[in-house]
Amino acid sequence: QKEVEQNSGPLSVPEGAIASLNCTYSDRGSQSFFWYRQYSGKSPELIMSIYSNGDKEDGRFTAQLNKASQYVSLLIRDSQPSDSATYLCAVNRPQGAQKLVFGQGTRLTINP
Amino acid sequence: DAGVIQSPRHEVTEMGQEVTLRCKPISGHDYLFWYRQTMMRGLELLIYFNNNVPIDDSGMPEDRFSAKMPNASFSTLKIQPSEPRDSAVYFCASSFYRDSTYEQYFGPGTRLTVT
Repeated sequence: QKEVEQNSGPLSVPEGAIASLNCTYSDRGSQSFFWYRQYSGKSPELIMSIYSNGDKEDGRFTAQLNKASQYVSLLIRDSQPSDSATYLCAVNRPQGAQKLVFGQGTRLTINP
Repeated sequence: DAGVIQSPRHEVTEMGQEVTLRCKPISGHDYLFWYRQTMMRGLELLIYFNNNVPIDDSGMPEDRFSAKMPNASFSTLKIQPSEPRDSAVYFCASSFYRDSTYEQYFGPGTRLTVT
């Protein structure tokens, strides 16, 4: 079992719809969860972090965390073509709080 | 504020040559990370430093890889000798304490091609 798992996609969503990205993790001791966006040929860009169960909203983005079920999700409302990118889920390792394990990423395409 | 700075942005070298990648973290950040990204293996942590001291180098693939951080504003990742399988994008990231955790910010990366 991979430490952090994501559906590689591609996930295709029409413009204006809600894009839903999911991530599961294996270590119950993980405390910090991050979503990064990576455009092709660019570096990962931090877009959301979440540490407590529940929802966290920032503009069009909502991160959801359920520690009991060990999953994290990212919702993108009113999807725009500029949201087309690969989204990486990252989870910290409890034994080294600064160490992040990244999923393979989900490629998202927003269709105009 | 300037972000994480990496150089060179692209490096093409022949097998057996020494390669040195450079990183300047964001001022005030006390953690520095080196990652490698490939299509097959994704984004992997190689090594990280706290206050210029290496904390965990368990991700460094072989003795051919070494990293140093002589001061708070500079780090190097060296590969000697380089091999074609080292071809990848190498990212440097730095972080600081916020909201009970550290958020990592990535540099633009160095695309390394070893022929």
